[in-house]
Amino acid sequence: SAVISQKPSRDICQRGTSLTIQCQVDSQVTMMFWYRQQPGQSLTLIATANQGSEATYESGFVIDKFPISRPNLTFSTLTVSNMSPEDSSIYLCSVGTAYNEQFFGPGTRLTVL
Amino acid sequence: GENVEQHPSTLSVQEGDSAVIKCTYSDSASNYFPWYKQELGKGPQLIIDIRSNVGEKKDQRIAVTLNKTAKHFSLHITETQPEDSAVYFCATQKTSGSRLTFGEGTQLTVNP
Repeated sequence: SAVISQKPSRDICQRGTSLTIQCQVDSQVTMMFWYRQQPGQSLTLIATANQGSEATYESGFVIDKFPISRPNLTFSTLTVSNMSPEDSSIYLCSVGTAYNEQFFGPGTRLTVL
Repeated sequence: GENVEQHPSTLSVQEGDSAVIKCTYSDSASNYFPWYKQELGKGPQLIIDIRSNVGEKKDQRIAVTLNKTAKHFSLHITETQPEDSAVYFCATQKTSGSRLTFGEGTQLTVNP
């Protein structure tokens, strides 16, 4: 499986600021995804990061709040904009294979004060 | 859309006992069913999966069974060890590359 890294691993941010999370994969992948995991909860898909085109957002998530970039087949960023305490979560990127499997990165633990 | 229910939400067993976690789903078009293990402070790790053309799959102490008619699938862990303690998530998927829909998770505790 691909090796996935995320930066930062954790951060504490002030209300109203923005944070950009990076996801790096050690091989080229077609499918990359961003998930949110609120404290003690399950995983919810934010969007599919499409290489060379705009991300595809799930219901309840909008580009202005969670802009995503995917400049190439090994890298993507997720920005959490104008943060509030409700944005405190773990943010996870994942990559998909042609055989259905999805592998997750280690996550970015965000606390908003 | 797809709805995945997972039971139980917490499960405590003695070391060496078996653990069973069950998920039910609503969309009959789902055809891929992975299980993830998430340890504290880490991302989810894919531990086993099953496709709709298979009824059971085994990998050492872990097995997954699928009943497509009843729309449920289960994770079985035998001879549990303390290092099996984690949160386990089931998920479903309709087509390769499409979204995963997750269950709510089961906190498994294996007591030594």
